[in-house]
Amino acid sequence: DAGVTQSPTHLIKTRGQHVTLRCSPISGHKSVSWYQQVLGQGPQFIFQYYEKEERGRGNFPDRFSARQFPNYSSELNVNALLLGDSALYLCASRWTPTGGYTFGSGTRLTVV
Amino acid sequence: DAKTTQPPSMDCAEGRAANLPCNHSTISGNEYVYWYRQIHSQGPQYIIHGLKNNETNEMASLIITEDRKSSTLILPHATLRDTAVYYCIVGLNSGGSNYKLTFGKGTLLTVNP
Repeated sequence: DAGVTQSPTHLIKTRGQHVTLRCSPISGHKSVSWYQQVLGQGPQFIFQYYEKEERGRGNFPDRFSARQFPNYSSELNVNALLLGDSALYLCASRWTPTGGYTFGSGTRLTVV
Repeated sequence: DAKTTQPPSMDCAEGRAANLPCNHSTISGNEYVYWYRQIHSQGPQYIIHGLKNNETNEMASLIITEDRKSSTLILPHATLRDTAVYYCIVGLNSGGSNYKLTFGKGTLLTVNP
């Protein structure tokens, strides 16, 4: 069974540009969350989606948005990129309400 | 979410048990203790979680004190591949509703040959 897949794996963007990151959860997982991990820090929660509805949002500006599709895949969008948005963006999904999350390998975003 | 305190780093000899402590003195009654680890440049990996009772799975054991103010993750026979940052996280397990993992800085466990 495939794990959580994220695309692309690496990305370089220029300040001010827009970026879309994609995540496919494990088959059957309805809950998807996004995290940002800056170098040297632990992951920081951005969004959680469950059954295509936003169920939680972290302390991130409105430049960050996300959505979940009927097949439970998800996109994270970031507008007007700043140098500080350079980070590893992680997607996680889970099957049961009581289980642990399975994380993807992440998308490494570099803003120059 | 309750805050956790972990030592920044620990060393362990290969083949020996690694015991990673975590303090969560402000944990509330319905909050779970989760452990994840992150090997360099990879996404975090779920290890184990528990509420009150001790838990064991194929990866590790979780020992939670009776007052639930601290816990210990035990890797019974550490290998070099267990070298990673280990995160202890406390949070509500509220199913499909608003639930997030609040990561601290974790403990860097280095397993030495």
